[in-house]
Amino acid sequence: AQSVTQLGSHVSVSEGALVLLRCNYSSSVPPYLFWYVQYPNQGLQLLLKYTTGATLVKGINGFEAEFKKSETSFHLTKPSAHMSDAAEYFCAVTPTGGGNKLTFGTGTQLKVEL
Amino acid sequence: GAVVSQHPSRVICKSGTSVKIECRSLDFQATTMFWYRQFPKKSLMLMATSNEGSKATYEQGVEKDKFLINHASLTLSTLTVTSAHPEDSSFYICSARERTGPKTEAFFGQGTRLTVV
Repeated sequence: AQSVTQLGSHVSVSEGALVLLRCNYSSSVPPYLFWYVQYPNQGLQLLLKYTTGATLVKGINGFEAEFKKSETSFHLTKPSAHMSDAAEYFCAVTPTGGGNKLTFGTGTQLKVEL
Repeated sequence: GAVVSQHPSRVICKSGTSVKIECRSLDFQATTMFWYRQFPKKSLMLMATSNEGSKATYEQGVEKDKFLINHASLTLSTLTVTSAHPEDSSFYICSARERTGPKTEAFFGQGTRLTVV
C-alpha cells in the first residue's frame, strides 16, 4: 500500500519569500509523484510530476520539486511567492507497477501575506 | 492541457431526491474516469473508477447503490447520488485519463458543490 504525508496543513509566507511545501511518501516501490493546486471551489490543476529521469522537476508558475529516493520525499518549492500562489496544494502518488489510482495527501493551504 | 467539464458546479436538492452530476472530456477520449469526494478541509477520497462500457469499480466503504456511476461513452461519465441525505453534502470532483497507465496525466473537472437540505 502507498501513502502520502504532507507536513503542515497550513503554511504562511511573505510575498517574495521562498515557498517550501513538504511531501513524503510511503511505497513498496518508487512511485510516480505529482503536485496539484486547487483554488477555492475549483478542481485540481497539475503543477508538475515525476515519473522517470531527472529528479528535479520543473512545473508551471515557477514551481519545482525534487524527488529524493533516499528521503522518500518530493518537496515543492518556489523561490519567490506571489499573492496568486495562495491556494491548496496536494501531493499525490500512483504506483509505477500499474493501475491508475492517485493517492492524495491531506493538502497544505498556502497563505501569502504582503 | 485537456479540458474536463463538470456540470453542474453547484446544486441544492431536497433530502430524498436524486441528483445527477456529469463529467465530460471535451477534447479527448477518456478511457478511464474517476470520481472523488472532498470533505471540508480534507483531502480527496476516491469513490470509484469507471471504464467506458464496463461497470465501475467502487472503493471500499462506498455504497454502489447510492452512488450510481455510468460511463456510457468515451467522453461522458455520470454520478447519480440517489435518495440524497444531508450527510451526502460535499464537493464532488471527477477526473479523466486519456489512456491507461500511471504516467498518463489525469485532468480534473471543476467540481460540483452538492448541498442536501
